[in-house]
Amino acid sequence: NAGVTQTPKFQVLKTGQSMTLQCAQDMNHEYMSWYRQDPGMGLRLIHYSVGAGITDQGEVPNGYNVSRSTTEDFPLRLLSAAPSQTSVYFCASSFGSSYNEQFFGPGTRLTVL
Amino acid sequence: AQSVAQPEDQVNVAEGNPLTVKCTYSVSGNPYLFWYVQYPNRGLQFLLKYITGDNLVKGSYGFEAEFNKSQTSFHLKKPSALVSDSALYFCAVRDRIYNQGGKLIFGQGTELSVKP
Repeated sequence: NAGVTQTPKFQVLKTGQSMTLQCAQDMNHEYMSWYRQDPGMGLRLIHYSVGAGITDQGEVPNGYNVSRSTTEDFPLRLLSAAPSQTSVYFCASSFGSSYNEQFFGPGTRLTVL
Repeated sequence: AQSVAQPEDQVNVAEGNPLTVKCTYSVSGNPYLFWYVQYPNRGLQFLLKYITGDNLVKGSYGFEAEFNKSQTSFHLKKPSALVSDSALYFCAVRDRIYNQGGKLIFGQGTELSVKP
């Protein structure tokens, strides 16, 4: 199993550009989520999904969109990039129950100029 | 609202000495509690979790954690630290009520440095 994969690993955008961060998992996990990691702030939840066709907002959803058309994929879209979105983005997945640990991807380091 | 606090930004320990990384939480009801470790330029790796039962939980790489309900704490411990344990450690809490999405709330992280 590849686990949780994310592409790209690094990305530089200009303010106002849009892009999609890709996330895929091959473990048949129902639950998938996106986090951003900023120094001294831990990981903050952006959006999450409890299954195909179901998504919901986390702590910091503004400026981001998600969709979940399949169990495997959970892309994160930046609609109009801003410097405040410079961060490291992690995708994670787990089986449905809340006591199951999440598996994290390797991350995407995004810089917005 | 749920929250997790890791009161120490950094913990310094000599190799071979015991280590403790502190975590306290604030939730309604009884949460699930987790510890994750992050090595430089890597994603987070699961270490251990508390679901129910024995308050002392054992996990990967010789780590353990003690759940204390009265103090709402879940401190991470290891009897003898290794230089290779140097990393960023995160405590996290997840609501038991799954229909709220089972969202994972993280502390801000503690940098553990183990010196030879």
